[in-house]
Amino acid sequence: DAGITQSPRYKITETGRQVTLMCHQTWSHSYMFWYRQDLGHGLRLIYYSAAADITDKGEVPDGYVVSRSKTENFPLTLESATRSQTSVYFCASGQGYSNQPQHFGDGTRLSIL
Amino acid sequence: SQQGEEDPQALSIQEGENATMNCSYKTSINNLQWYRQNSGRGLVHLILIRSNEREKHSGRLRVTLDTSKKSSSLLITASRAADTASYFCATDGGNNRLAFGKGNQVVVIP
Repeated sequence: DAGITQSPRYKITETGRQVTLMCHQTWSHSYMFWYRQDLGHGLRLIYYSAAADITDKGEVPDGYVVSRSKTENFPLTLESATRSQTSVYFCASGQGYSNQPQHFGDGTRLSIL
Repeated sequence: SQQGEEDPQALSIQEGENATMNCSYKTSINNLQWYRQNSGRGLVHLILIRSNEREKHSGRLRVTLDTSKKSSSLLITASRAADTASYFCATDGGNNRLAFGKGNQVVVIP
């Protein structure tokens, strides 16, 4: 079945560690997005990508790195994790037009101790 | 940038009742979308309404859009326990992005 999968679903790590969250979609959507969801803030866009090798910053990009070497994968890396990055992270994909829906994965719950 | 903003309500209703939630935004839009998020899951697209539409229906969902007031409402009729979720509106965020509101939590009591 077509879909979007995120891994891991849960992750606990320590401050200063590097951690990578994975996202894979099977729709061949050109656009992919990373959001973080925190109480009181709703969903905030971290980074997005319009195509392979094309990425751009969103609302809260500091402390995060992304890459997109293949259309179907869009990993998000926290190079040196901080407690403020404890959050639920969602990956989404879409055709990239505002009149089209985005399709979301089920998220990664990340805790940084 | 534009941002959908729901009235920060947590609704608790009995099964069979109607649930209404609102969303306001700041600048002109081309369309507005509503999403549902069940606990522990990702967002699921429900319905899209274009700026030239005033009302749209999809099953038990009814969405209205008032561009003069820069607001939208989502009505769920004859609610069911399975409608318990958070509901988000999203507007054009520019550059083919969406700007999401903070969400409205709805609890339907069986």
